[in-house]
Amino acid sequence: DAKTTQPTSMDCAEGRAANLPCNHSTISGNEYVYWYRQIHSQGPQYIIHGLKNNETNEMASLIITEDRKSSTLILPHATLRDTAVYYCIVRTPVYSGGGADGLTFGKGTHLIIQP
Amino acid sequence: NAGVTQTPKFQVLKTGQSMTLQCAQDMNHEYMSWYRQDPGMGLRLIHYSVGAGITDQGEVPNGYNVSRSTTEDFPLRLLSAAPSQTSVYFCASSSIYGQGARRSGNTIYFGEGSWLTVV
Repeated sequence: DAKTTQPTSMDCAEGRAANLPCNHSTISGNEYVYWYRQIHSQGPQYIIHGLKNNETNEMASLIITEDRKSSTLILPHATLRDTAVYYCIVRTPVYSGGGADGLTFGKGTHLIIQP
Repeated sequence: NAGVTQTPKFQVLKTGQSMTLQCAQDMNHEYMSWYRQDPGMGLRLIHYSVGAGITDQGEVPNGYNVSRSTTEDFPLRLLSAAPSQTSVYFCASSSIYGQGARRSGNTIYFGEGSWLTVV
């Protein structure tokens, strides 16, 4: 059972902001929203994560709605190198013991940056 | 700091052969795991370990064995390769403890992948 829902694919013009939505309506109070991306043939790369406040780092911004049921990853000035599959994942940030701490990947959003 | 290192990057096996995919991390992470990724699919967890001497099964463990004799290394063994094990394999590691007062979370770091073809 998928914990997140993302569009299958999106296009964005180079130099523009890319806004990737994610729905996570069943998120629990102690779960964070994580974003990873996978550029073709490479290992997944961590982008950003957050709990309820908006977050920004050198790669992206994460906007989480007040009810925490959805979020948006923003790449402020997309470049051709940002073409990748973007995964939105919800999980607890600290291992709670007794089971796998692995990330559960869905199919993600294939973001294509157009020149 | 090399991060997570996987070897080999590419391997072709015949059905029934055995081999080991190597994974090493230099970040002193307690948690290590193996995923496989099939075309057009997300990553699926094979096995994981929360420390030396401790391993457990993930979502798709059949046909694979693991061991964790040191914190740094987490090899994945295919005892009798089958064509269904043709896939890209990723090793990952993370600290299982929260980081600092901000509880920034235990980011998982991935290797660059090992492409395995079983013919």
